[in-house]
Amino acid sequence: GENVEQHPSTLSVQEGDSAVIKCTYSDSASNYFPWYKQELGKGPQLIIDIRSNVGEKKDQRIAVTLNKTAKHFSLHITETQPEDSAVYFCAASKGSNSGYALNFGKGTSLLVTP
Amino acid sequence: KAGVTQTPRYLIKTRGQQVTLSCSPISGHRSVSWYQQTPGQGLQFLFEYFSETQRNKGNFPGRFSGRQFSNSRSEMNVSTLELGDSALYLCASSPRAGAYQETQYFGPGTRLLVL
Repeated sequence: GENVEQHPSTLSVQEGDSAVIKCTYSDSASNYFPWYKQELGKGPQLIIDIRSNVGEKKDQRIAVTLNKTAKHFSLHITETQPEDSAVYFCAASKGSNSGYALNFGKGTSLLVTP
Repeated sequence: KAGVTQTPRYLIKTRGQQVTLSCSPISGHRSVSWYQQTPGQGLQFLFEYFSETQRNKGNFPGRFSGRQFSNSRSEMNVSTLELGDSALYLCASSPRAGAYQETQYFGPGTRLLVL
């Protein structure tokens, strides 16, 4: 099955700096790559996603890049703020008629210090 | 619109018992997926339901089962509970309106503790 690896497991940055989280996937058939943010006591919340026909997507301070050849994708957060502190998960999915299961990475705990 | 709701939010059971968790998707959403989240294994896919049919199943033993009702609400059941079943169980819904992957919206989860 699909294997998604995520690095780093923890990341500490100062407010205003950039944060980068990287993921690799094993199944070349995967075509949908969402990123979720999970705060303590809450369920994961989608922050951005990208499909395999797109190389880069940006939404304000958040951007995601995808390299299909290398089978890796990355999350970039610029001008970090303390409220960005949370656990971030990447995921990959084949997205077919037989189902849309998300295969998650193990998560990155991001701490933004003032 | 109201988000995905899950009940109960917290549950304590003992080994050998069974448990039923409930999920109400966002209004209009027709697909419901379940995930188990543990510190060791992370987020793992359990199963996905669409139009009352199981479309996909993860690598979990048969003790884990689920169903979906005609109003898209879903339940999952775990029988003969083991200590390792202690986890946060998350439900996610999506519209399933087209033939492409759509965003899955997660609920707050049900935290199950097995003693």
